[in-house]
Amino acid sequence: GQQLNQSPQSMFIQEGEDVSMNCTSSSIFNTWLWYKQDPGEGPVLLIALYKAGELTSNGRLTAQFGITRKDSFLNISASIPSDVGIYFCAGANSGTYKYIFGTGTRLKVLA
Amino acid sequence: DSGVTQTPKHLITATGQRVTLRCSPRSGDLSVYWYQQSLDQGLQFLIHYYNGEERAKGNILERFSAQQFPDLHSELNLSSLELGDSALYFCASSVVNGYRNEQFFGPGTRLTVL
Repeated sequence: GQQLNQSPQSMFIQEGEDVSMNCTSSSIFNTWLWYKQDPGEGPVLLIALYKAGELTSNGRLTAQFGITRKDSFLNISASIPSDVGIYFCAGANSGTYKYIFGTGTRLKVLA
Repeated sequence: DSGVTQTPKHLITATGQRVTLRCSPRSGDLSVYWYQQSLDQGLQFLIHYYNGEERAKGNILERFSAQQFPDLHSELNLSSLELGDSALYFCASSVVNGYRNEQFFGPGTRLTVL
């Protein structure tokens, strides 16, 4: 099935560093969602975006809805060890009840 | 807590057996989705039900089937199990209300086929 491309696939960072990741699609969406999955747990919704250019924060996390509607970005500031996990993006369009997920970015934080 | 519940949390069975995974969506959500996640892999969409009716199928094997009941809970049936079916199985429900379009996941069922 269709999947969105996430970059990078994985990253090791030092505690305290800022993290950036992105998600790209060949088709447009009017909703972008960002999730975090801890090992063995279900993905947890972090941020939902509904408008091109929109910038939304949730604590140290900030996500942006790309103006082309084909991409989205997630930034984590001042990373801490509990930020470890897999971050998934998902795109959707109103009324379709269909969600396309990204391949995931695996984040590892070195204390 | 997302409000989506799944049982059991863990399931260990043998090849050739049949198991049933259960999911209850968030209160008020009519849609239920099932996903499979193998070790260190992404989320593979299996099937979507809306208010009791099948809406979409993904990469679901013929040995797998699902249904959504009038009370909106859903069951995923996996039969003739193979070693490769060992995975995390997630259920999700979605809220689509005006401009809102969000999906919430349950804690998952870890299936181990020996």
